[in-house]
Amino acid sequence: AQSVTQPDIHITVSEGASLELRCNYSYGATPYLFWYVQSPGQGLQLLLKYFSGDTLVQGIKGFEAEFKRSQSSFNLRKPSVHWSDAAEYFCAVGSNDMRFGAGTRLTVKP
Amino acid sequence: SQTIHQWPATLVQPVGSPLSLECTVEGTSNPNLYWYRQAAGRGLQLLFYSVGIGQISSEVPQNLSASRPQDRQFILSSKKLLLSDSGFYLCAWSVAVMNTEAFFGQGTRLTVV
Repeated sequence: AQSVTQPDIHITVSEGASLELRCNYSYGATPYLFWYVQSPGQGLQLLLKYFSGDTLVQGIKGFEAEFKRSQSSFNLRKPSVHWSDAAEYFCAVGSNDMRFGAGTRLTVKP
Repeated sequence: SQTIHQWPATLVQPVGSPLSLECTVEGTSNPNLYWYRQAAGRGLQLLFYSVGIGQISSEVPQNLSASRPQDRQFILSSKKLLLSDSGFYLCAWSVAVMNTEAFFGQGTRLTVV
C-alpha cells in the first residue's frame, strides 16, 4: 500500500535561511507526488506536483522539490524563507486514494 | 472555474448526537471526491473516497459513513458521535484521472462535547 513519511514534525528556521523539508514515500508503481501547504484553520493549497519527466519541479511561492527514485524521496526546498512561509506542509502520494504524510510544521524566526 | 463548498465551518455537537457534513463541487463533472480528517497535531487521514455516484470506498473502520447522492455532492455522516470524532474535516475533489492534484475545501472544525 502506498504511504508517505515526513520525518520532521517541527522545523524552525531563521528568516532568509534556506529550507529543506523531507518526504519519503512507498508506492508500487510510478508515484504521483505532491506538496501542499496549510495555514492555521484553513484548507490545503497545492505548492507543486510531480508526475513524470524532469525530476526537479518548480512550484509557487519560490518552492521547488526534487524527485529521487533511488532514495524514494521528494524533498521540498526553498533558498530563502520568508516569515509568511510559516505554516504546516504536507507531502502526498497517490492517485484516486491520495495519501498524506503527518505534516511538518514550519516556524520562521525573525 | 471550479469551486468546492464545505459546511458548516464549525460545529459543536454532544456525544451520541448525529452528524451530517456536506460538500459540493461546482464547475466540473464526475469528480473524484474525498473526506479527510485531521486530528490535532496529526496528518490527514483519508476516510472515504468516491469515483462516482453511489461508489464509496472506506479506508478506516469507524462509526462514520459517507454517501454520494449526486455527482457533485458528498456527505459525511454519523448516527452517534464519539468524543474521538473531534477534529478538522476536509472535503476535496480531483479530476477523475490518476495524475491530478486534489483541491480542498476550507474544512469543518468539529468538536464533540
